[in-house]
Amino acid sequence: DAGVTQSPTHLIKTRGQQVTLRCSPKSGHDTVSWYQQALGQGPQFIFQYYEEEERQRGNFPDRFSGHQFPNYSSELNVNALLLGDSALYLCASSRTGTDQPQHFGDGTRLSIL
Amino acid sequence: GENVEQHPSTLSVQEGDSAVIKCTYSDSASNYFPWYKQELGKRPQLIIDIRSNVGEKKDQRIAVTLNKTAKHFSLHITETQPEDSAVYFCAASIEYGGSQGNLIFGKGTKLSVKP
Repeated sequence: DAGVTQSPTHLIKTRGQQVTLRCSPKSGHDTVSWYQQALGQGPQFIFQYYEEEERQRGNFPDRFSGHQFPNYSSELNVNALLLGDSALYLCASSRTGTDQPQHFGDGTRLSIL
Repeated sequence: GENVEQHPSTLSVQEGDSAVIKCTYSDSASNYFPWYKQELGKRPQLIIDIRSNVGEKKDQRIAVTLNKTAKHFSLHITETQPEDSAVYFCAASIEYGGSQGNLIFGKGTKLSVKP
């Protein structure tokens, strides 16, 4: 049973560029959440997708957008990249239900030059 | 919004000793409190969680306690081993739409277990 998978593992971009990160949830999971983890910090919530719609959003600018597909996989898009966007981007998936924990992928390490 | 504070930021113990990490949260509506372990360069892994209708939960060497009145919860690791060395994160969330909502994380505790 595959867990949460993310691609790519590493990415280097320059300021002003755009990036797309991808996530496949764990089998049986229908909810995908995205987090940004800066070095030495705890993950910060970006947004959560369920039934192909953004259900919750954290305190991130509109440059951060996402999408969920009918197969529950998800993309995170970031436009007009800033140096401060350098971080580990984590995807977490879960099943609907209040007793269902979130399981994380290995993340995508994004470096902005 | 919810705010989670975690202490200490670093913790060093001798193998076999116990380790305790404490977290406080601000939003009394929070009802789910997971703990994640993150080894260097790896994904956060859920090690234990507790819901607001339970005061304590134990899984082998790991236990979590919750005090809703004081809005704090703690992770207890007994008989620590070198492989317990990692960064531990506490988190809190509120039910949303019939599922767990976004997780608000503490800043993490770097635990070092010396052989």
